[in-house]
Amino acid sequence: AQSVTQPDIHITVSEGASLELRCNYSYGATPYLFWYVQSPGQGLQLLLKYFSGDTLVQGIKGFEAEFKRSQSSFNLRKPSVHWSDAAEYFCAVVGNYGGSQGNLIFGKGTKLSVKP
Amino acid sequence: EAQVTQNPRYLITVTGKKLTVTCSQNMNHEYMSWYRQDPGLGLRQIYYSMNVEVTDKGDVPEGYKVSRKEKRNFPLILESPSPNQTSLYFCASKPQGGGSPLHFGNGTRLTVT
Repeated sequence: AQSVTQPDIHITVSEGASLELRCNYSYGATPYLFWYVQSPGQGLQLLLKYFSGDTLVQGIKGFEAEFKRSQSSFNLRKPSVHWSDAAEYFCAVVGNYGGSQGNLIFGKGTKLSVKP
Repeated sequence: EAQVTQNPRYLITVTGKKLTVTCSQNMNHEYMSWYRQDPGLGLRQIYYSMNVEVTDKGDVPEGYKVSRKEKRNFPLILESPSPNQTSLYFCASKPQGGGSPLHFGNGTRLTVT
């Protein structure tokens, strides 16, 4: 079955430091990939998406992600973290076969804490 | 404003008392879906609907029902809630097309005692 793995359950970074959140997926062809952010008490908001083309995609709030086919990865990055970035981050891929076709498959999420 | 609206935001109920969580979207999206979010388990899909009168089971459909009589509405029904259905529930919608992103509601926190 297709899957998305976010290896880090919880990450703490200092404000102003750089950030990289990891995401690995299992998929045969070029996937549709997404990163979502969930602030406390809120629904999920789309940060960015990758379908094809340039493997480095820019999103909202200063985030970017890089698709690496050879590593089956789609890691999220931000050069300088702000306290308001503290949230939970979810990576997702669109399923392409069987019961998952067309549905988003989510990773279990990475919770980001930001130290002053 | 384009949005997915869920009601209620918070709900406390007792075991066995039927309840409905409503979901409505104003973006004319064909696809709608329900997820539950539990600590350490991420988001798990309950049911989804590709269009009006078409619904399918997701990963964790047991104990839930849905209906899609109109394009904009996709209610989640718990006929006989149990404590293991205590969770945070999200409704989401998107246009047809595999690459379209999901738009999420703000969630419904359900507690079943």
